[in-house]
Amino acid sequence: GAVVSQHPSWVICKSGTSVKIECRSLDFQATTMFWYRQFPKQSLMLMATSNEGSKATYEQGVEKDKFLINHASLTLSTLTVTSAHPEDSSFYICSARDRRLSETQYFGPGTRLLVL
Amino acid sequence: GNSVTQMEGPVTLSEEAFLTINCTYTATGYPSLFWYVQYPGEGLQLLLKATKADDKGSNKGFEATYRKETTSFHLEKGSVQVSDSAVYFCALSDSGNTPLVFGKGTRLSVIA
Repeated sequence: GAVVSQHPSWVICKSGTSVKIECRSLDFQATTMFWYRQFPKQSLMLMATSNEGSKATYEQGVEKDKFLINHASLTLSTLTVTSAHPEDSSFYICSARDRRLSETQYFGPGTRLLVL
Repeated sequence: GNSVTQMEGPVTLSEEAFLTINCTYTATGYPSLFWYVQYPGEGLQLLLKATKADDKGSNKGFEATYRKETTSFHLEKGSVQVSDSAVYFCALSDSGNTPLVFGKGTRLSVIA
């Protein structure tokens, strides 16, 4: 089946630093990737939609200068949390849509970010 | 706009009990419907899906039937196991590059 990886799985950083999270589709090409944020015991909140080779589309209320998204190839998207603060601590999950099966999204295992 | 409503948890069942998690949706057109499962500390895994009315998705003993007349996609399993303890999300996608619309999730705990 389709596999999506995320790296790192865990990150702890100091307030003010920037953190980059990678999302890769390992065995399929993904023209579209999505980034979600999940708070404890809550559902996923869509942050942005990332299309290969173009600018990401951010959901209302998500700061695009804070959460930089780059989708440079059909298998890689990155999310950079710039100047992270404790309120950015969360579980970040990416998903990728298989271009051959446009309605099915496959999710990465998530990245837990803790900002001290 | 599109939306998904699923029963609130938590749901606690004994091992081998029958499971139903209700899910209803609102959408224009004919969406595809999905159930995802999230085990503790992990991302979401696709459990099953159905792309048109009357389709039945099934996997690992779980089933859900796409009911257009009742706009529902209820998840069922005849005999749950402790290993089924997780959060289950119902979701829909109406086409192409639009993101999934998720329900709020239902936490299932199965006790031995």
